Amino acid sequence: ETGVTQTPRHLVMGMTNKKSLKCEQHLGHNAMYWYKQSAKKPLELMFVYNFKEQTENNSVPSRFSPECPNSSHLFLHLHTLQPEDSALYLCASSQVWEGFEPQHFGDGTRLSIL
Amino acid sequence: GQNIDQPTEMTATEGAIVQINCTYQTSGFNGLFWYQQHAGEAPTFLSYNVLDGLEEKGRFSSFLSRSKGYSYLLLKELQMKDSASYLCAVRSTNSGNTPLVFGKGTRLSVIA
Repeated sequence: ETGVTQTPRHLVMGMTNKKSLKCEQHLGHNAMYWYKQSAKKPLELMFVYNFKEQTENNSVPSRFSPECPNSSHLFLHLHTLQPEDSALYLCASSQVWEGFEPQHFGDGTRLSIL
Repeated sequence: GQNIDQPTEMTATEGAIVQINCTYQTSGFNGLFWYQQHAGEAPTFLSYNVLDGLEEKGRFSSFLSRSKGYSYLLLKELQMKDSASYLCAVRSTNSGNTPLVFGKGTRLSVIA
């Protein structure tokens, strides 16, 4: 148990569907992140939220839409995805300050686009 | 640009020692992290280096040389459960808000 919970664990959807990924952290952290992990590629940062404000959008296509209603919850809304979007989507959280603080990851949502 | 390099795959024998190297070129440096990720699971934090030298934590140790842009993760007394991917990540500035830049990961297979 990492303190970061992601649902669903697996998702299969067609290119015209709309779905949402959910992340919840129970660690009292003030920052949350979405990453994409594809085979044979580094973890790619998608979005960063710091104190519920989006501070980074790493050139992510608009078919991915994040939402952070409070510091404990993070969503990733998906619509009209492409087959190359099939990947593992990881959520992470951390306490942002000037010193050392590792990011804590959830188990991820395995997304398959048909 | 930001670049993190580590070997794609390694194989080692149970009970042995293995060293996983990581080299980085980043616009700045404020800490290097190692994570372990078992298949289908979350990456879990292993170690953090910000100053040169060796940090030891049980069977795992991590070394950093900032002048060389180089780190390694040393795993001793290997166990079958150590078979996993090991991710090297760098924080490039001293802002606590700076996200990490990850390498592609090294898949370690421990064999009997």
